[in-house]
Amino acid sequence: NAGVTQTPKFQVLKTGQSMTLQCAQDMNHNSMYWYRQDPGMGLRLIYYSASEGTTDKGEVPNGYNVSRLNKREFSLRLESAAPSQTSVYFCASSLDRTGANVLTFGAGSRLTVL
Amino acid sequence: GIQVEQSPPDLILQEGANSTLRCNFSDSVNNLQWFHQNPWGQLINLFYIPSGTKQNGRLSATTVATERYSLLYISSSQTTDSGVYFCAVEPWSNYQLIWGAGTKLIIKP
Repeated sequence: NAGVTQTPKFQVLKTGQSMTLQCAQDMNHNSMYWYRQDPGMGLRLIYYSASEGTTDKGEVPNGYNVSRLNKREFSLRLESAAPSQTSVYFCASSLDRTGANVLTFGAGSRLTVL
Repeated sequence: GIQVEQSPPDLILQEGANSTLRCNFSDSVNNLQWFHQNPWGQLINLFYIPSGTKQNGRLSATTVATERYSLLYISSSQTTDSGVYFCAVEPWSNYQLIWGAGTKLIIKP
């Protein structure tokens, strides 16, 4: 019972390089999310997908794109990485996009942009 | 937008002590959740508690929605309770959780 799996766990990029963070969940959840966590701060929502086929911007979407590939998978792409995108990225999922649903998180991906 | 403030920012306790963590929010909310992030970074939901009181073992939480605060109680602390505790609120206007900056708890053996 894997829950939410995200890859890679660690990545170092040079400014301007591109990369994709992958996320998959096996809980048959409808909603998926990408957050970033910076030191000393809470999580900030980058993008979310309320259901398969839909994506919406969160609080900090600039510099990112997402794809909800199917119900299980939700990827986050950095087209041209910048040092300000150095952060820990978390993927999460929930049964539905309503207030009562508990979030389940992946283990995180630590990204460093030089 | 809604502001979420957690206090204290840091807390160091001996094993066996009790603690109270506070979360204040600046406007009425649809939903409030407490999370624990362990020292290895894993985030786990502790409570979904928009109002009232809930208990789960040594942990309990109370939200007083009319006064815009929530409290997380940890009794008989263990070293495994160490980590960062976050509260996150969901405004009525949208479904995006707004997170506090967290309380970092260190339990010494």
